[in-house]
Amino acid sequence: GAGVSQSPSNKVTEKGKDVELRCDPISGHTALYWYRQSLGQGLEFLIYFQGNSAPDKSGLPSDRFSAERTGGSVSTLTIQRTQQEDSAVYLCASSSSQGATGYTFGSGTRLTVV
Amino acid sequence: AQSVTQLGSHVSVSEGALVLLRCNYSSSVPPYLFWYVQYPNQGLQLLLKYTTGATLVKGINGFEAEFKKSETSFHLTKPSAHMSDAAEYFCAVSDPGGNEKLTFGTGTRLTIIP
Repeated sequence: GAGVSQSPSNKVTEKGKDVELRCDPISGHTALYWYRQSLGQGLEFLIYFQGNSAPDKSGLPSDRFSAERTGGSVSTLTIQRTQQEDSAVYLCASSSSQGATGYTFGSGTRLTVV
Repeated sequence: AQSVTQLGSHVSVSEGALVLLRCNYSSSVPPYLFWYVQYPNQGLQLLLKYTTGATLVKGINGFEAEFKKSETSFHLTKPSAHMSDAAEYFCAVSDPGGNEKLTFGTGTRLTIIP
């Protein structure tokens, strides 16, 4: 597609439920990144994919968080047993071989845990 | 490890006045530096970036930034503020040659006073 697409744009879930957030990167972009934007916390790196592999998962905050990427394209971020502190905007970015100089961000998924 | 400090979480300037948003970074290697803008309920848009070469970089919407290695700074400026500049601005740094994840500052919310 023309840009990075994220779905849903908004998600309200009850504490303790699992959620899946989806990212469709720009076609042909091999690198994919997930970031979390929390109120007052700025943006935090979560995980980086190169193709279907995740060589850097260092930002995932707990084992409740996981992510996968299939076919070198779509990525899903899963949060199990959601907690109120998981409420944030989750942003996805993809990049060609230019790395950080070629990022394109999606509009994000706003997750609210009630 | 890299880090970014943005001085001033909120900055207000009058329409037509100079905009100056401050960013200092810490990096063990020559970094790539970025400024992003985020309008309400939207994703991040790249304003400008410094990789190598000329230390004064010009971006979109009349913004520019100067990389000053001796001061480890990358401040963002615009000579004359416009109402449409009201947004949140993020400075970011990446480690070229690594996985090129971005480390962000906590952001500066710019308000334009009519």
